[in-house]
Amino acid sequence: QSALTQPASVSGSPGQSITISCTGTSSDVHNYKYVSWYQQHPGKAPKLMIYDVTNRPSGVSSRFSGSKSGNSASLTISGLQAEDEADYYCCSYTSSSTLVFGGGTKLTVL
Amino acid sequence: QLQLQESGPGLVKASETLSLICTVSGDSISSTSYYWGWIRQPPGKGLEWIDTLYYRGSTYYNPSLKSRVTVSVDTSKNQFSLKLSSVTAADTAVYYCARGNYITRFDYWGQGTLVTVSS
Repeated sequence: QSALTQPASVSGSPGQSITISCTGTSSDVHNYKYVSWYQQHPGKAPKLMIYDVTNRPSGVSSRFSGSKSGNSASLTISGLQAEDEADYYCCSYTSSSTLVFGGGTKLTVL
Repeated sequence: QLQLQESGPGLVKASETLSLICTVSGDSISSTSYYWGWIRQPPGKGLEWIDTLYYRGSTYYNPSLKSRVTVSVDTSKNQFSLKLSSVTAADTAVYYCARGNYITRFDYWGQGTLVTVSS
C-alpha cells in the first residue's frame, strides 16, 4: 500500500487559516469516511485531532476542521496560533482492512 | 485516565527479534469497544502503521511487515505485545502502542520507545 500524499510543508501567520491536503486513491480516501488527522509536536506522541473526516475528539479546538472530496481530504486550521506549529499526519482506512498514513506536513507559524 | 506504556530493549542486533510490550492502565484491554495497535516512526520520518488487534484474536497487519510480525494479548496482565523478526537497520524507530476504534483511528497513544537495530 502506498502512503497518502501530503505537502512537505505549509506555513501561515498568526490569525490566518491554512489547509493541509491529503491525497489518496479509490482504495482508501475516496471510498471511506474513515480519514483521521494527527498532530505531533517534536519529541511527543501523535495526538488525534480529527476522525471520520470531520469529527473532533472532545477537547480539540473548534479551530480544527476536516473535509473530504473525491480522493482528497483536507485539514483546515483557522485562527492560527503559535502552538499549532507541529507536524500533521493524515491517515485512512483502506479496502484491504488496513491503515495507511500520509508522509506528514510540517506546519510553520511565521 | 487511560495510559499506555511501551517497554522493551532499546537495542536489538540485526537479524534478531524485536520484542515490545504495551501495558494498559485505566481501561481493560478486554473492553469490547476498543482495539489495540502498534505504530512506528523512524528517526526524522513519518508514521507507519504496523498492526491492530482485538483481544479476542482478530488481527490486522501492514502487508509490508506481516510476514515478520507476531502480536499477542495477555488479558491477565492487561498487556499486548509486538514481536518483529529478522530486524535490520531499517527497523530502527520509535515504536508507539495505541488504543484504536476498530482499525479506523487511534485515540490514545503511549509515549513511544526508541528501538535501535545495531549491526
